[in-house]
Amino acid sequence: DAGVIQSPRHEVTEMGQEVTLRCKPISGHDYLFWYRQTMMRGLELLIYFNNNVPIDDSGMPEDRFSAKMPNASFSTLKIQPSEPRDSAVYFCASSLATGYNEQFFGPGTRLTVL
Amino acid sequence: GDSVTQMEGPVTLSEEAFLTINCTYTATGYPSLFWYVQYPGEGLQLLLKATKADDKGSNKGFEATYRKETTSFHLEKGSVQVSDSAVYFCALNPSGGYQKVTFGIGTKLQVIP
Repeated sequence: DAGVIQSPRHEVTEMGQEVTLRCKPISGHDYLFWYRQTMMRGLELLIYFNNNVPIDDSGMPEDRFSAKMPNASFSTLKIQPSEPRDSAVYFCASSLATGYNEQFFGPGTRLTVL
Repeated sequence: GDSVTQMEGPVTLSEEAFLTINCTYTATGYPSLFWYVQYPGEGLQLLLKATKADDKGSNKGFEATYRKETTSFHLEKGSVQVSDSAVYFCALNPSGGYQKVTFGIGTKLQVIP
């Protein structure tokens, strides 16, 4: 299996622009998670899905952030408009419903908002 | 709510030194406990886990024992290598099938030759 795939790996954009991050989870996994990692705040859970349905979005910082999962093999995290404080590494992870819920992380997208 | 308290780093050790990274947790019920490792430029990956009290998780020479009486899950390795340099995260998954994992802040380990 190819693991969790994220794109792009790096994104540099200017303040005010729309940013879309993409994730392909491991085939067969029921859960998908979006995290943000910064030096100041560590690893934060933004939102997670079960069977393509958003379950908990309490970590989404503002209305500028939105996430979708149109099917079991694809999810997006969108920031519109972007701000410099959104600069971070964004990780997608997936897991199975059974077992003890090990999460498999993608390589991350490093976002820089100028 | 659930929480994980992890010692702050960075931790700098010489090669072949003994490693301990402390982790304590607060949770209701009987959570599963994990250690994840993040190598530079990569995502987190599971290092080891323990799913009930007194279980010992082990992998790649690392060990951690689930101590319910002290609510701890300390990570240890007898002899670290330069290749162990990474950030280590303690984490818990609440009991009852709930999927929301709580991560610690991460401890950066640097091993010098």
